[in-house]
Amino acid sequence: NAGVTQTPKFRILKIGQSMTLQCTQDMNHNYMYWYRQDPGMGLKLIYYSVGAGITDKGEVPNGYNVSRSTTEDFPLRLELAAPSQTSVYFCASSTQGLEQFFGPGTRLTVL
Amino acid sequence: RKEVEQDPGPFNVPEGATVAFNCTYSNSASQSFFWYRQDCRKEPKLLMSVYSSGNEDGRFTAQLNRASQYISLLIRDSKLSDSATYLCVVPPSGTYKYIFGTGTRLKVLA
Repeated sequence: NAGVTQTPKFRILKIGQSMTLQCTQDMNHNYMYWYRQDPGMGLKLIYYSVGAGITDKGEVPNGYNVSRSTTEDFPLRLELAAPSQTSVYFCASSTQGLEQFFGPGTRLTVL
Repeated sequence: RKEVEQDPGPFNVPEGATVAFNCTYSNSASQSFFWYRQDCRKEPKLLMSVYSSGNEDGRFTAQLNRASQYISLLIRDSKLSDSATYLCVVPPSGTYKYIFGTGTRLKVLA
């Protein structure tokens, strides 16, 4: 089992560029989450999904979009990158109420 | 009151010491909790689950105090490799969102 995988590991974007952060899990979890973590800070929820075709906003959704067409995949889209989106992005999955499993993260810098 | 609160530390302790962290939570309906460990620039990983009876795993003991609404993590015989940030997590209760504390930083010194 690979668990939760994320690509890319690192990325540098210019202001205004777009990109998609990929997240895939092979544990058949219904629940998937995107978090961002700024240096020295806690995790902030961007978006989450409780199953294929269902997504909802978290605490900090502005500037991001998600989709969930399959149980396995939960990509995060940045449309117009801004320096404030420089962060580490973690994807996680779980069965309801149980342990969350995290991917290794994507380190994004916007210049 | 924040949903989950932790002392950010850092807790600087010598090798072999015993150290304890607390985490307070506001939702009295919460039934279970998690302690996660996060190494610098890495993803959080589950350390222990915490239920009403507490939990022990080797050098690590977690306890739940419902009356005072806090959970604790005790680390005995600290190792250099225990240096990390320890996150208190409340799983969803009526929602789908996990509530993360901001973490307590531990440094074990040689």
